[in-house]
Amino acid sequence: GENVEQHPSTLSVQEGDSAVIKCTYSDSASNYFPWYKQELGKRPQLIIDIRSNVGEKKDQRIAVTLNKTAKHFSLHITETQPEDSAVYFCAASIGPNAGKSTFGDGTTLTVKP
Amino acid sequence: EAGVAQSPRYKIIEKRQSVAFWCNPISGHATLYWYQQILGQGPKLLIQFQNNGVVDDSQLPKDRFSAERLKGVDSTLKIQPAKLEDSAVYLCASSLSISTETQYFGPGTRLLVL
Repeated sequence: GENVEQHPSTLSVQEGDSAVIKCTYSDSASNYFPWYKQELGKRPQLIIDIRSNVGEKKDQRIAVTLNKTAKHFSLHITETQPEDSAVYFCAASIGPNAGKSTFGDGTTLTVKP
Repeated sequence: EAGVAQSPRYKIIEKRQSVAFWCNPISGHATLYWYQQILGQGPKLLIQFQNNGVVDDSQLPKDRFSAERLKGVDSTLKIQPAKLEDSAVYLCASSLSISTETQYFGPGTRLLVL
């Protein structure tokens, strides 16, 4: 089955700096890659996603890049703010059962004011 | 739009006891997922339903875990008997259909087995 590895497991940055989280996947058939943000004690929430026919996607301060050849994708957060502090999970899934995602183990991001 | 509802939010039991969790998905969502999230790890899919049928239960420990979605709406996940390693957050999620990528998570049930 699919295996998703996520790095780093913890990341600490100064407010205003950028943060980058990387994930690799094993199944070349994976074609949908969502990113979730989970604040302490709360539910995971989708923040951005990318499909395999796209190399990059941006939404304000958040961007995701995908390298299908290398089978890795990354989350980029610019101008970080303290409220960005949370656990971020990447995931990969294979269509047509697109909702059945394999998750990485998460990155705990701390943004220091 | 109301979100995915789960109950109870917290549960503490002793090993070998039984426990059940309930999930009410977003209205109209045909696909329902149960995930187990152990502390420090990402959610792991236990079972996926499409309406009242099971799509995937390959990672469900069937000797102790069971789940049902009899009328294709609410779902119940049961553990009998519980083990210490079952301590985790159990997340329910739903999506519009099996081919819909976006899934919405409930708040989860935090289970502690002593």
